[in-house]
Amino acid sequence: DAGITQSPRHKVTETGTPVTLRCHQTENHRYMYWYRQDPGHGLRLIHYSYGVKDTDKGEVSDGYSVSRSKTEDFLLTLESATSSQTSVYFCAISSGNYEQYFGPGTRLTVT
Amino acid sequence: GESVGLHLPTLSVQEGDNSIINCAYSNSASDYFIWYKQESGKGPQFIIDIRSNMDKRQGQRVTVLLNKTVKHLSLQIAATQPGDSAVYFCADKGDSSYKLIFGSGTRLLVRP
Repeated sequence: DAGITQSPRHKVTETGTPVTLRCHQTENHRYMYWYRQDPGHGLRLIHYSYGVKDTDKGEVSDGYSVSRSKTEDFLLTLESATSSQTSVYFCAISSGNYEQYFGPGTRLTVT
Repeated sequence: GESVGLHLPTLSVQEGDNSIINCAYSNSASDYFIWYKQESGKGPQFIIDIRSNMDKRQGQRVTVLLNKTVKHLSLQIAATQPGDSAVYFCADKGDSSYKLIFGSGTRLLVRP
């Protein structure tokens, strides 16, 4: 398995609170991605990074921000969590050869 | 584990039979395609990929076929086993250099 970990693996939080999810890789890959997965929608790209401090929006970026201060870490922040952000979040990495390798996921519940 | 799609198309096959999972893509400029397998409670796992200069590629028990004329991709699994039960996604790179576009997935159920 690609060396990708996500933390926490499960989180329950209240509406309006900030939440940060962490993705950590040991592969030294340049590209990192955050997706959310919901029934009926498949995988949807939230944000991605193409290098340290280089990030861009995906198709469902509203309400989310990201940061990448080191090659190995990509953080996803929900500034003020809403119930619509209840989902399973996956991080993925790529060396740039198109194929992406996914982490184990974080299940987030916003009550 | 969590459900990855309550309304996914489902393919049910007998253990030992061959499975064929289909996928259509929309961007004729796509030149790279991937198949992923996702088991319940886990992240998607890379199975096999194919570039548009090929129409067939084989792996261990899996074959991917690409028909660019009708923009169709299929994944064939030989001698399907219970461990093959999962949701299968196709993805293509579209016009992007480093983003993938994912299909909604097909659930494969293997009957013992």
